[in-house]
Amino acid sequence: QVQLVQSGAEVKKPGASVKVSCKASGYTFTSNYIHWVRQAPGQGLEWMGVINPSGGSTTYAQKLQGRVTMTRDTSTSTVYLQLSSLRSEDTAMYYCARDSGGPPRFDPWGQGTLVTVSS
Amino acid sequence: DIQMTQSPSSLSASVGDRVTITCRSSQSVDNYLNWYQQKPGKAPKLLIYAASDLQSGVPSRFSGSGSGTDFTLTISNLQPEDFATYYCQQSYNTPWTFGQGTKVEIK
Repeated sequence: QVQLVQSGAEVKKPGASVKVSCKASGYTFTSNYIHWVRQAPGQGLEWMGVINPSGGSTTYAQKLQGRVTMTRDTSTSTVYLQLSSLRSEDTAMYYCARDSGGPPRFDPWGQGTLVTVSS
Repeated sequence: DIQMTQSPSSLSASVGDRVTITCRSSQSVDNYLNWYQQKPGKAPKLLIYAASDLQSGVPSRFSGSGSGTDFTLTISNLQPEDFATYYCQQSYNTPWTFGQGTKVEIK
């Protein structure tokens, strides 16, 4: 079955960077875009950006431009989210999600990776 | 950016009730509107895509309607496992944006 498995929780200090992975299985990795969505504690869902695993092209949310980088490794069917210059406001659960194609929608989602930014 | 507004933000309902959640977009999104269910500590789950298409495996008591700027999610015969937070999301253009969520609680 189609599955996205994310890396484990991270604790970072303000100003540091974090890199979260999302390993895809059960389908052709290069056939579907992967998005990243985050959710601060007790808050709603915020779209961060998208990567095309086929060519590596990306589109990022404007508010994160300059701090966010999405990459992929086709040999391991893994996409990565790197966020730099971390602030306390970046404390959140980070999810990857596949655009399953046809009418665009997120399905499935990864299990989430909690990133805590604290001094 | 397209703003998505859900109402109500929360509601209390009983098992067996019919529940309706509305979602309005700040500009037309055609039918590029999806609905997700999220339970505490879990990732969101796709329920409805393209405004009214039921995702495979989702119970038929969930239905969606609307196009343009106004959409609804209806849960008929509410079940105990349906108590959760529901989000609408537009996929018309980037940035893909979500409503603020509607929490369905037990009365």
